Amino acid sequence: ETGVTQSPTHLIKTRGQQVTLRCSSQSGHNTVSWYQQALGQGPQFIFQYYREEENGRGNFPPRFSGLQFPNYSSELNVNALELDDSALYLCASSPPGFSYEQYFGPGTRLTVT
Amino acid sequence: DQQVKQNSPSLSVQEGRISILNCDYTNSMFDYFLWYKKYPAEGPTFLISISSIKDKNEDGRFTVFLNKSAKHLSLHIVPSQPGDSAVYFCAASTFEIQGAQKLVFGQGTRLTINP
Repeated sequence: ETGVTQSPTHLIKTRGQQVTLRCSSQSGHNTVSWYQQALGQGPQFIFQYYREEENGRGNFPPRFSGLQFPNYSSELNVNALELDDSALYLCASSPPGFSYEQYFGPGTRLTVT
Repeated sequence: DQQVKQNSPSLSVQEGRISILNCDYTNSMFDYFLWYKKYPAEGPTFLISISSIKDKNEDGRFTVFLNKSAKHLSLHIVPSQPGDSAVYFCAASTFEIQGAQKLVFGQGTRLTINP
């Protein structure tokens, strides 16, 4: 059974640029959630996708957007990057009926300069 | 507004002894509580969860206790092993109006198991 995978592993971008992060959910999982983890902090909820629709969002501006595809993989897009966007971005997938039980990928480390 | 708090940034325990990690929360609407372990350069690994209607759940060396009146939960690891050295996150699940179930995390506790 393949777990949650994310790409790329690391990324360096310049302020004002746009970035797309990718996530493949664990086999059989249909819900995907994205989190941002700043250094020394716990992960912060960005949004969740179910059946290709966003069904919940945390306290993040609209320049953070996402997609979920029919195979349940997902993308996180961030426009107009700011220095404070530098963080570890984590994707988590959940099995049907257990969306509280979230299994995380290794994360993408984004550095904005 | 920190709804989930882990007040101990670090904990050091001798191998073979019990490790007790603590977590406090403020929102009585949380429906599930979870513990995750995180190694450097890896994502959090799910360890154990407990429903808000239970007061104890056990899985091998890991036991989670929930005290709803005190809004407190703890993770017991017995016996502690060197491989348990990691950062442990407490998380609480809340059901959002649109249907999402989001996790609210504490700041983490770094556990070090000494030989």
